[in-house]
Amino acid sequence: DTEVTQTPKHLVMGMTNKKSLKCEQHMGHRAMYWYKQKAKKPPELMFVYSYEKLSINESVPSRFSPECPNSSLLNLHLHALQPEDSALYLCASHPTLGVRSYNEQFFGPGTRLTVL
Amino acid sequence: AQTVTQSQPEMSVQEAETVTLSCTYDTSESDYYLFWYKQPPSRQMILVIRQEAYKQQNATENRFSVNFQKAAKSFSLKISDSQLGDAAMYFCAYRSAYGGSQGNLIFGKGTKLSVKP
Repeated sequence: DTEVTQTPKHLVMGMTNKKSLKCEQHMGHRAMYWYKQKAKKPPELMFVYSYEKLSINESVPSRFSPECPNSSLLNLHLHALQPEDSALYLCASHPTLGVRSYNEQFFGPGTRLTVL
Repeated sequence: AQTVTQSQPEMSVQEAETVTLSCTYDTSESDYYLFWYKQPPSRQMILVIRQEAYKQQNATENRFSVNFQKAAKSFSLKISDSQLGDAAMYFCAYRSAYGGSQGNLIFGKGTKLSVKP
């Protein structure tokens, strides 16, 4: 199994809603990432988890709350979002960090989020 | 800090012809990797090709090849015999070899490639 899965594929939510995005990988990767991508722009890093611990938070607003319950699963909890948060949210994984690694990041297909 | 620059926002190529996408980068590190990712309208980011900085030989993957000029910090992607399925956004990306504590990819702004039948 060499893929990263993300659910749901599409999500429409109001500004007062609470929702969650889910990402899963079964490749034994120990680093997982959340990216936000606006149309025609490169992905912007939001969070990095390494061995289930939050390693990087790129000054993301607290209305985005990541969670890594185990080494295969990564969640992004959403609450009180703004319309400008509408974007494609990509999850990625990498075998490990801190050691020399030739491997690339594996990306999921993304969740298209629309905030009304 | 490392930066990646893609100077061509859009490119177009005729089916079956060859196109080259440009990428330059800036770094003070000597050990790193460079990647080209493809993102079609289906949204999935797919690795096209990668290059290790310590390898002088240019990487090739079927119709895709790179021209890696380490001294010039240039990493261009050549697509031969272009196909309709090659139409996508192409991102050049940089990563430190050891990944630091983040293993972050640093992306260029992307080049949108259109393929004309």
